[in-house]
Amino acid sequence: EAGVTQFPSHSVIEKGQTVTLRCDPISGHDNLYWYRRVMGKEIKFLLHFVKESKQDESGMPNNRFLAERTGGTYSTLKVQPAELEDSGVYFCASSLTSGIYTYEQYFGPGTRLTVT
Amino acid sequence: AQSVTQPDIHITVSEGASLELRCNYSYGATPYLFWYVQSPGQGLQLLLKYFSGDTLVQGIKGFEAEFKRSQSSFNLRKPSVHWSDAAEYFCAVDRVAGNTPLVFGKGTRLSVIA
Repeated sequence: EAGVTQFPSHSVIEKGQTVTLRCDPISGHDNLYWYRRVMGKEIKFLLHFVKESKQDESGMPNNRFLAERTGGTYSTLKVQPAELEDSGVYFCASSLTSGIYTYEQYFGPGTRLTVT
Repeated sequence: AQSVTQPDIHITVSEGASLELRCNYSYGATPYLFWYVQSPGQGLQLLLKYFSGDTLVQGIKGFEAEFKRSQSSFNLRKPSVHWSDAAEYFCAVDRVAGNTPLVFGKGTRLSVIA
């Protein structure tokens, strides 16, 4: 079974440009999360989808970040326009809910974003 | 608010030596606890988890962790470290049955020397 995949693995863009990150969760996982790790800091939550709906977007830093999850499958995270402080590693994770129980989160390899 | 503290930023151990990575959490109730590992160029891999029951949990790659409620700790251990264990280790907590965001510590980087 394929794990969580993310594309691209690396992206280098200039300040003011737009970048779109993609995450494909494990098939059948309703929950999809985005996290970010800025250099030297801890991994921080950005938002949580349940199927195609945003369950919690309390971690989104500002309105330059837009996340979507088309049809409850893959998700995209767009940064527009990018700023220097957006540099970091963006992780995607997914988990399965069965009944009242939700299982652990499985993470993708991350996308390293560098804004110059 | 929940928080996770990993007091050691970087630890160096000799191959074959024992290892203990510390993790303390701050939360009013018993959270769900996790250790993840990130090897160079790889994503986060789940090593082990504690939800309830036996406070000593076994994970993959020979790792174990012990939940101590009185100390709000969930330390990771391995009796004999291998060079391939060199990686960054993250402790994380989850408020509710896996359906809420994880809160991570800052990570501990492990170096293994011959």
